Amino acid sequence: GQQVQQSPASLVLQEGENAELQCNFSSTATQLQWFYQSPGGSLVSLLSNPSGTKHTGRLTSTTVTKERRSSLHISSSQTTDSGTYLCAIDFNNNNAPRFGAGTKLSVKP
Amino acid sequence: EAAVTQSPRSKVAVTGGKVTLSCHQTNNHDYMYWYRQDTGHGLRLIHYSYVADSTEKGDIPDGYKASRPSQENFSLILELASLSQTAVYFCASRSTPEVFFGKGTRLTVV
Repeated sequence: GQQVQQSPASLVLQEGENAELQCNFSSTATQLQWFYQSPGGSLVSLLSNPSGTKHTGRLTSTTVTKERRSSLHISSSQTTDSGTYLCAIDFNNNNAPRFGAGTKLSVKP
Repeated sequence: EAAVTQSPRSKVAVTGGKVTLSCHQTNNHDYMYWYRQDTGHGLRLIHYSYVADSTEKGDIPDGYKASRPSQENFSLILELASLSQTAVYFCASRSTPEVFFGKGTRLTVV
């Protein structure tokens, strides 16, 4: 089936440390997006990266399409980075994104 | 920035009652989606639509209907609400690849 698995489920960091989040998926991904969900519940798109490496600010995403995995690296974490990070995949160009369960990140001051 | 507006933002419904959740987008996107999120979980796709007057089933359509009467509007209908449908519901629209979400509707069925 079309599955998206994220790891770790939760992560606790001290401010300034780096975070590495993983997303593995079960079949061909034609689109891949990383989202941030705030503690209040709002969802915002961070970046789209179906293949290769993309940077935006302190975020770097690397997707290895053949290995069906993507990572999101957050450098120099800040307390305001706390929240849940979700990976969403379009499988086989169906334009219906499927989400992983997310990684809950807590950054302590 | 794309605007997706959901109403109501929260609702308490009685078991067996009918519930309609509404979604409105102002950016003329073709694709619209309804997801539900249960506490501590990711989003699961209920229904989606890529054109007015047409809807598609997602992964968990049972107990839900969807309606897309116009490009801008997409509704989710629970004909007979059940306790298991207590969740937060998110509507989204898309300009590929980006997805834009509404702020969510917290539905509690009692």
